[in-house]
Amino acid sequence: SQKIEQNSEALNIQEGKTATLTCNYTNYSPAYLQWYRQDPGRGPVFLLLIRENEKEKRKERLKVTFDTTLKQSLFHITASQPADSATYLCALVPSGNTPLVFGKGTRLSVIA
Amino acid sequence: DTAVSQTPKYLVTQMGNDKSIKCEQNLGHDTMYWYKQDSKKFLKIMFSYNNKELIINETVPNRFSPKSPDKAHLNLHINSLELGDSAVYFCATSRGVNGNTIYFGEGSWLTVV
Repeated sequence: SQKIEQNSEALNIQEGKTATLTCNYTNYSPAYLQWYRQDPGRGPVFLLLIRENEKEKRKERLKVTFDTTLKQSLFHITASQPADSATYLCALVPSGNTPLVFGKGTRLSVIA
Repeated sequence: DTAVSQTPKYLVTQMGNDKSIKCEQNLGHDTMYWYKQDSKKFLKIMFSYNNKELIINETVPNRFSPKSPDKAHLNLHINSLELGDSAVYFCATSRGVNGNTIYFGEGSWLTVV
């Protein structure tokens, strides 16, 4: 069956460290993968998109990698800050004209 | 100026009632969606409309009926509400259907008692 799994439900990290979140997928062949941030009581907000032919994408303190062999994407936040505390969702398009399918998310807490 | 706005934000209602959630977008996008996020925070697609035409209906009970009067609006009507319908409902839009970046509204918290 098709699955998107984000490694842990919750991750606590010390301020200033690098947070690494994992997204694994099974029985999908996505052309690209997206990451979203969701704050409590708000809708998800788009952060980054990475295509299958891109190994790595960066945006300020964020970095995403995409390994189609391992069927995995890693999401890194360097020099993490308490303001980075949120739930991070990965999402992919199963095929063709289909909408995004989301993972359950990882709730990141950055502790000062 | 909110890009995707939905009303009401909070709704508490009794089982068996009928309720509607409205959504409007000012991004000029062709595609609009309804997603449901349950108590376990799982975000799942319900419906997708492109240029006012229904293109995806993900095995949602027919008590849920979306209506798109024009490209900028997608409303969700729910008949005979059940306890299990309690969730957060997100309206969203994108430029096209091919998994483009999705822009979400702030959500409508529905509680059925």
